[in-house]
Amino acid sequence: DGGITQSPKYLFRKEGQNVTLSCEQNLNHDAMYWYRQDPGQGLRLIYYSQIVNDFQKGDIAEGYSVSREKKESFPLTVTSAQKNPTAFYLCASSPRKGINTEAFFGQGTRLTVV
Amino acid sequence: GENVEQHPSTLSVQEGDSAVIKCTYSDSASNYFPWYKQELGKRPQLIIDIRSNVGEKKDQRIAVTLNKTAKHFSLHITETQPEDSAVYFCAAVTGTASKLTFGTGTRLQVTL
Repeated sequence: DGGITQSPKYLFRKEGQNVTLSCEQNLNHDAMYWYRQDPGQGLRLIYYSQIVNDFQKGDIAEGYSVSREKKESFPLTVTSAQKNPTAFYLCASSPRKGINTEAFFGQGTRLTVV
Repeated sequence: GENVEQHPSTLSVQEGDSAVIKCTYSDSASNYFPWYKQELGKRPQLIIDIRSNVGEKKDQRIAVTLNKTAKHFSLHITETQPEDSAVYFCAAVTGTASKLTFGTGTRLQVTL
């Protein structure tokens, strides 16, 4: 189903703890993205990567970090510096850098800080 | 960077009527404009897209128009059906950066 997998589906975290969200794709896509979805605010870009070992900040990168050590994987770490981390997180990938084609989304991870 | 604005935030139409959702973008270098549909509890999925060298594209009941001069693009759904009820997102991509920027979404409700 799209070949992009996020895990876990639900995640609970205590305040002050870092947590890592997994995103794996088997579509051989170059570009990968992380979005945060809050009610009424659409999809806001956190980080994106066009190629292995390279990534750029999106519009709301503060309090988040990423890595892109493998083409298939783009994990997102929500650090304790993120002031309001409770949200729905979506990962996406698209085929080619500079080629504008469809982005495929994972099923999302709902993070709740308790 | 790119900024995409989307209106309206909510839209209610009767079954069989048409629905129009409008978006504007800020970066004149943007050259690809996809539209995504997100049903409740599901992931966004592409429903139609348009590239900057095309002014209009149609796929059955769905059409998208692009005005590059004015930097706006619109989604048109004709003969709406209850299964069209969802949140719709427009987006813009600047080719060299491959950065996909979304609008804030429109919640469409099709009533019987």
